[in-house]
Amino acid sequence: EDKVVQSPLSLVVHEGDTVTLNCSYEVTNFRSLLWYKQEKKAPTFLFMLTSSGIEKKSGRLSSILDKKELFSILNITATQTGDSAVYLCAGEYGGATNKLIFGTGTLLAVQP
Amino acid sequence: NAGVTQTPKFQVLKTGQSMTLQCAQDMNHEYMSWYRQDPGMGLRLIHYSVGAGITDQGEVPNGYNVSRSTTEDFPLRLLSAAPSQTSVYFCASSPRGQPLHFGNGTRLTVT
Repeated sequence: EDKVVQSPLSLVVHEGDTVTLNCSYEVTNFRSLLWYKQEKKAPTFLFMLTSSGIEKKSGRLSSILDKKELFSILNITATQTGDSAVYLCAGEYGGATNKLIFGTGTLLAVQP
Repeated sequence: NAGVTQTPKFQVLKTGQSMTLQCAQDMNHEYMSWYRQDPGMGLRLIHYSVGAGITDQGEVPNGYNVSRSTTEDFPLRLLSAAPSQTSVYFCASSPRGQPLHFGNGTRLTVT
């Protein structure tokens, strides 16, 4: 059975801290691993990873995929209160189908 | 571009009623899909479409119908609403092989 597991379930940090969010996956015909940020409404896209070992960066956020260990991490450095959100990890299954299986998310709270 | 537009934002139904959740995108994306989000469950794929006239089932299709008569629209029909269908529903679209863009969701309560 396909599954995506995220850890921790929730996390409270102070502004300026660095956080690492974890995602492990078992996905049939895996093609890509995606990270989304969800605040009040729609999940918004952060990263799409298809190749192992290549770090993707966007400002203070970065992510990397390990296809041997079936694992991805999302790093956020110098956290800000605006980073408070649920971070979702999803595996694309069935080849290049755009079908995603999601983890339950990590709730990040950044305190001033 | 308006992106992915979902209507209504909120809906309350009685058990056994039917309704249609609307989803429209103006980005000419070939791929569209419907997910439901429940506490502790993550988002789960209901139905998806890889182009006009083509639809297929996802993880949790029972109790839902879809059609894709145009590239822009992908409505989700609840045939006979049940309390288990209380959820937040998200429509998403993308070009094939690209990340999904999500709408703002429809919060549905079935009493």
